[in-house]
Amino acid sequence: EDKVVQSPLSLVVHEGDTVTLNCSYEVTNFRSLLWYKQEKKAPTFLFMLTSSGIEKKSGRLSSILDKKELFSILNITATQTGDSAIYLCAVEGSSNTGKLIFGQGTTLQVKP
Amino acid sequence: ETGVTQSPTHLIKTRGQQVTLRCSSQSGHNTVSWYQQALGQGPQFIFQYYREEENGRGNFPPRFSGLQFPNYSSELNVNALELDDSALYLCASSSTRYLGTGGGGYTFGSGTRLTVV
Repeated sequence: EDKVVQSPLSLVVHEGDTVTLNCSYEVTNFRSLLWYKQEKKAPTFLFMLTSSGIEKKSGRLSSILDKKELFSILNITATQTGDSAIYLCAVEGSSNTGKLIFGQGTTLQVKP
Repeated sequence: ETGVTQSPTHLIKTRGQQVTLRCSSQSGHNTVSWYQQALGQGPQFIFQYYREEENGRGNFPPRFSGLQFPNYSSELNVNALELDDSALYLCASSSTRYLGTGGGGYTFGSGTRLTVV
């Protein structure tokens, strides 16, 4: 059965810290891995990764995929209180749809 | 601001009742997917609609059904509501069925919070 596992499930840091969120997956015929940020309700798109070893970067956020070891990490440097949210990892697999298999999410709290 | 609109935002229903949730997809998007997110969990795929046809279904019973209209908006219907149906229901639209072909990420709506009592 396809599955996506995120760790840690929750994290509390102080402003300015750097955090690394982990996502491992077992999915048949992998197509892509996506990261989303969910603050209140609507998950907002952060990154889509399809190739191993190519870092994607957006401001203080970056992410990389390892298709051999079946995991991805999301790094946030110089965290701010506005980074407090649930971070969701999702994988698109082999079905004939764009079905996403989500992990449980990592709840990040950034304290001032 | 998200281009996907869902209504209503909140809903309270009694066990056994039926509910209809609505979603207007982002302009230019022809694919709509529905997800259920229970408290403390990641979203789970219910089904996807592409050009008015169901294009895949997750592990949900037949009492979960849907429609997509010619303007690509969509409805999710749930019959015989159970307490475990209480969740945030998210609609997501995209311009392609398969995200890995370069279609980018889904655009999610803000969801409908359904409470079944």
